[in-house]
Amino acid sequence: DVKVTQSSRYLVKRTGEKVFLECVQDMDHENMFWYRQDPGLGLRLIYFSYDVKMKEKGDIPEGYSVSREKKERFSLILESASTNQTSMYLCASSFGQETQYFGPGTRLLVL
Amino acid sequence: EDQVTQSPEALRLQEGESSSLNCSYTVSGLRGLFWYRQDPGKGPEFLFTLYSAGEEKEKERLKATLTKKESFLHITAPKPEDSATYLCAVQAGDYKLSFGAGTTVTVRA
Repeated sequence: DVKVTQSSRYLVKRTGEKVFLECVQDMDHENMFWYRQDPGLGLRLIYFSYDVKMKEKGDIPEGYSVSREKKERFSLILESASTNQTSMYLCASSFGQETQYFGPGTRLLVL
Repeated sequence: EDQVTQSPEALRLQEGESSSLNCSYTVSGLRGLFWYRQDPGKGPEFLFTLYSAGEEKEKERLKATLTKKESFLHITAPKPEDSATYLCAVQAGDYKLSFGAGTTVTVRA
């Protein structure tokens, strides 16, 4: 079974803090994705990576950056957290253009 | 721009009362249509992938079908454990998935 894990289930941060969310997959997938999910808006793609050190912007990259130094690990960075970044963050991975498998999610609250 | 619309937004069913969820889409060159189940506070769990019109897939009480403009997720004789939000997503020419807002299904015993 594909396993995608995320470093935290819940996080509470202050406005202006730098926040790191980490995702690890164990299936040797080359593609990894970060989404955020908000009520009524569905899942929106922030960034994705198709190889180590490669990244592409998704639909809503503003205020976020990513890092992929190893194939199995993809990090989402909020350089200076703001209250409008309070959300559920979901990581996913896939092999080629096949099915994306999701992690359990990180619920982030920015105060 | 790819568009995915799911209806209804919410569905309340009695145990054993079969029903269908709709996912209508507008996309240039559909590569695949995906159905996921999401429980509250958890990540989406993969259910089905459909690739071409006329294709059908089944898993337990769920059956997904695909036409050129929409997909249906049929729930036959649902049980309370089928309560969840069901998400539909389409994939066009690249890796990107475009998601609908989901249908929240509540099954009462």
